[in-house]
Amino acid sequence: GAGVSQSPSNKVTEKGKDVELRCDPISGHTALYWYRQSLGQGLEFLIYFQGNSAPDKSGLPSDRFSAERTGGSVSTLTIQRTQQEDSAVYLCASSFDPASAEAFFGQGTRLTVV
Amino acid sequence: GENVEQHPSTLSVQEGDSAVIKCTYSDSASNYFPWYKQELGKRPQLIIDIRSNVGEKKDQRIAVTLNKTAKHFSLHITETQPEDSAVYFCAARRYQAGTALIFGKGTTLSVSS
Repeated sequence: GAGVSQSPSNKVTEKGKDVELRCDPISGHTALYWYRQSLGQGLEFLIYFQGNSAPDKSGLPSDRFSAERTGGSVSTLTIQRTQQEDSAVYLCASSFDPASAEAFFGQGTRLTVV
Repeated sequence: GENVEQHPSTLSVQEGDSAVIKCTYSDSASNYFPWYKQELGKRPQLIIDIRSNVGEKKDQRIAVTLNKTAKHFSLHITETQPEDSAVYFCAARRYQAGTALIFGKGTTLSVSS
């Protein structure tokens, strides 16, 4: 596709439910990143994929958070038993790695836990 | 892992003034330092980046400087305009596979006319 695509754009879920957020990176980009941006806050790193493996998952805040990437392309971020503090915008970014380091962001998924 | 500190968190300037945002990083092996601009309601976009083999890079009204010894880098915006108002993020990583891009907490720049 032309850019990084994330779905859904918005998600409202009840506390305790599981959610899945999807990221379609730019074709050919081997690196994929997930970040969380709470209201008015910075870009909190969650996890980094190189191909299908995750060399760095140090930012995942708890074991309720997990992510996978298949076929070196689409990635899914799963949050189990959602809590209100999980409410945020979840951003995905991708880049060629390491030939070109510019990371391109998707538009984000706004998650609201009620 | 890498840790990036960014200052100030907010910055207000008059149109035409210069703005400077500073960042420090912890990983001495980091060698790629991009700056992203995020306008309200939009996704972050790269505005300029610098690699460790140079000390300064300019692109029209924006410039970035890097001091590897002190492990800090700065964004300089000259002749600021209202459309420069946004949140600016610095970041750092090792320019090689297997390392993540770590961001500072951002600086909200407001340019008043």
